[in-house]
Amino acid sequence: EIVMTQSPATLSVSPGERATLSCRASQSVSSNLAWYQQKPGQAPRLLIYGASTRATGIPARFSGSGSGTEFTLTISSLQSEDFAVYYCQQYNNWPYSFGQGTKLEIK
Amino acid sequence: EVQLVESGGGLVQPGGSLRLSCAASGFTFSSYWMSWVRQAPGKGLEWVANIKQDGSEKYYVDSVKGRFTISRDNAKNSLYLQMNSLRAEDTAVYYCARDPGAIDYVGTFDIWGQGTMVTVSS
Repeated sequence: EIVMTQSPATLSVSPGERATLSCRASQSVSSNLAWYQQKPGQAPRLLIYGASTRATGIPARFSGSGSGTEFTLTISSLQSEDFAVYYCQQYNNWPYSFGQGTKLEIK
Repeated sequence: EVQLVESGGGLVQPGGSLRLSCAASGFTFSSYWMSWVRQAPGKGLEWVANIKQDGSEKYYVDSVKGRFTISRDNAKNSLYLQMNSLRAEDTAVYYCARDPGAIDYVGTFDIWGQGTMVTVSS
């Protein structure tokens, strides 16, 4: 099973600033990497797939990069609605696996 | 509106059974792979099982193999998860989720239900 490790566990950033979240896979997942956003009491929402392609309706301030084992989610200018937990997920191998999440909180 | 609505969660004793349902609307249910994903309280996400459009292929995470069965009824636009021999560690919110691939699976989840809570406790 592929283990996904996200860092940091918690990230404190001020509104308007840039946030950079990291995700590492225990073995190569090629570009089969997705990012999700989850707010309290809500289901996750797909943000990015294919490591760098924004899902339908996702604002351009969200961008993804990386391949192989190292991936990054960048939010260029944080809005109030962006403070949430973010998960990466590999879908290169079954079983699909998620990272443990990064909580993005207001500084 | 594209929508998934889960039901069937509740409190069950260890060793007991529960059947979850997920009603789909707003899209051609029979065209998509579907999955169940769970989230233990305060924890991260765990993919549980998925099923091909016609039900001919099913896959499970090791921790539920032999205990859980995923199924679907395309005539009723519904997905199911039969959970037997439940354990405390199965306590979680269970989400049904759609794979966006309309022909073959992609592996991501673009539509999610609101989730249904399953609590396994004596």
